Amino acid sequence: DQQVKQNSPSLSVQEGRISILNCDYTNSMFDYFLWYKKYPAEGPTFLISISSIKDKNEDGRFTVFLNKSAKHLSLHIVPSQPGDSAVYFCAASIYGGSQGNLIFGKGTKLSVKP
Amino acid sequence: DTAVSQTPKYLVTQMGNDKSIKCEQNLGHDTMYWYKQDSKKFLKIMFSYNNKELIINETVPNRFSPKSPDKAHLNLHINSLELGDSAVYFCASSADRAYGNTIYFGEGSWLTVV
Repeated sequence: DQQVKQNSPSLSVQEGRISILNCDYTNSMFDYFLWYKKYPAEGPTFLISISSIKDKNEDGRFTVFLNKSAKHLSLHIVPSQPGDSAVYFCAASIYGGSQGNLIFGKGTKLSVKP
Repeated sequence: DTAVSQTPKYLVTQMGNDKSIKCEQNLGHDTMYWYKQDSKKFLKIMFSYNNKELIINETVPNRFSPKSPDKAHLNLHINSLELGDSAVYFCASSADRAYGNTIYFGEGSWLTVV
């Protein structure tokens, strides 16, 4: 039972354009969401997060949007750079639950072409 | 200067063997985790320790036993290895169990059981 879904296994974008990675979740109890970036043979690294009291959080080229009614979040990368090529994992957690128990999606592999 | 380090990075072993993966964090964090990424690429939590105390123990076979000698270390011991145990195991840590804490991952240990 996938509580966090990333339905696009891969995405290819031209350098300088916008990358949009999508994530859907089913558990309405989730109230904190994170994006992690993973290069091959490395562990996931934290990228950006958003709590359910917000609908947008921005950090440099990265912006996460949250639509609670649709149970959907997205990560926008503008402008995309070749170094952004990696697997991006969406994750969710519940306050008051097993804190630290992040539920991950399967990831989306982003390729940014020069 | 690696924040969360785990060894070995690669491990090939035969069915039935017992093996351990070690993990250390130098971030001063109170909480440590073991996550497993299986062949379907799902990242799932296995265990969580807070100040050497077991907090989360997901549905994991008894053959898997975490050991935390101190809050900077969380080792994973696996008895009687099976083919299905082949996966990437990630150690991680966070400041505490508080809501919204970023989890920092190690580079992963690639376990192959033959």
